Amino acid sequence: QVQLQESGPGLVKPSQTLSLTCSVSGDSITNTIYYWSWIRQPPGKGLEWIGYIHYTGSTYYNSSLSSRATLSIDTSKNQFSLTLNSVTAADTAVYYCARYCSPHLRGEFDPWGQGILVTVSA
Amino acid sequence: DIQMTQSPSSLSASVGDRVTITCRASQSVGRHLNWYQQKPGKAPKILIYATFTLQSGVPSRFSGSGSGTDFTLDISSLQPEDFATYYCQESHTTSPAFGQGTRVEIK
Repeated sequence: QVQLQESGPGLVKPSQTLSLTCSVSGDSITNTIYYWSWIRQPPGKGLEWIGYIHYTGSTYYNSSLSSRATLSIDTSKNQFSLTLNSVTAADTAVYYCARYCSPHLRGEFDPWGQGILVTVSA
Repeated sequence: DIQMTQSPSSLSASVGDRVTITCRASQSVGRHLNWYQQKPGKAPKILIYATFTLQSGVPSRFSGSGSGTDFTLDISSLQPEDFATYYCQESHTTSPAFGQGTRVEIK
């Protein structure tokens, strides 16, 4: 059974950098048909895709966040990470990591981590 | 980027009712359309991928249809555990987009 688990600080100060890590178990992060993704959900609002990364290093970002977001992957630890710089209160959200099946195949996000609430506040 | 628009934004229904949720894409996504269910405080779960293929374990009362720009999610007989928020998501492009969600509430 594939499981994903987000970790990182739950509170970040405005203008600083948000850093989260997703640990994957039950599947190798080098599985070629999958990408590894971050999605966020502000309180009471809908889902916003942030970006995804392939173990080969290919990355794709939401154009609205591409100037501030960076995804990286550590195959030795079976983890991938998100950094989002220059955060504001608008970045307060539950951040989910998820496995993304190649859009050339099915293109669905499954499974998801449980999510981590990150609050941006002084 | 493709925009995904769901309707209605919310609906009230009773147990046993048939429910239909619509998702419209701003340009054709072929059949690259997925549906998710999210319950309060939980991560979304995949229900249907590639327009009409049910994820393993999803009850057969759920069904999907459509192509191009117009898609529907049907729940044939609403059950108590189906009260949740539903999202569509396109996977036609390298920038997957979600609809804004449809909240299904108890009448």
